[in-house]
Amino acid sequence: DSGVTQTPKHLITATGQRVTLRCSPRSGDLSVYWYQQSLDQGLQFLIQYYNGEERAKGNILERFSAQQFPDLHSELNLSSLELGDSALYFCASSAYPDREGEAFFGQGTRLTVV
Amino acid sequence: GENVEQHPSTLSVQEGDSAVIKCTYSDSASNYFPWYKQELGKRPQLIIDIRSNVGEKKDQRIAVTLNKTAKHFSLHITETQPEDSAVYFCAASTNDMRFGAGTRLTVKP
Repeated sequence: DSGVTQTPKHLITATGQRVTLRCSPRSGDLSVYWYQQSLDQGLQFLIQYYNGEERAKGNILERFSAQQFPDLHSELNLSSLELGDSALYFCASSAYPDREGEAFFGQGTRLTVV
Repeated sequence: GENVEQHPSTLSVQEGDSAVIKCTYSDSASNYFPWYKQELGKRPQLIIDIRSNVGEKKDQRIAVTLNKTAKHFSLHITETQPEDSAVYFCAASTNDMRFGAGTRLTVKP
């Protein structure tokens, strides 16, 4: 167990809908990263938050948004869902900048858009 | 942002042989280089990492080397075993952590 908790584990929804994925980082970790992994693909970096502030942004679509709350949990919002958004979404946390890097991954949320 | 390239995309070796996976990165400011192993249907897990002030690090059958001048780093697995079969990802990090596309390693018994 990495200490990073993601909910829900599985999510099935229809095209055009909106969903929210939740991530609770390891205790004490201030940084949260979101990644998208499509079938048999790599880990596409979406966005990073540090202590409530957006730190870095990757290839995140405008239909997607995220935030990190004062208690450090993070949510990834996906709207106007398309079939191509079906993927495994991972959250990772790290103690950056105290220990740069060393990101620990949650078990992921498998999103299926039908 | 950082761009990480990883080769090969697939690698098949016989049990007991060595496996080498190579990565290059673009941002000279990157200073942390982890390697993750992802088994089918599971989350990526850190197996070894190296920081920019170190050229080589070893942990049992796994070693990582870093050449900052050339901006490349490599993962070496010796005496491979069937349980080493997985997808391996390299990453380079400054603020954010960017991953390579992954290498699917198959170790044949």
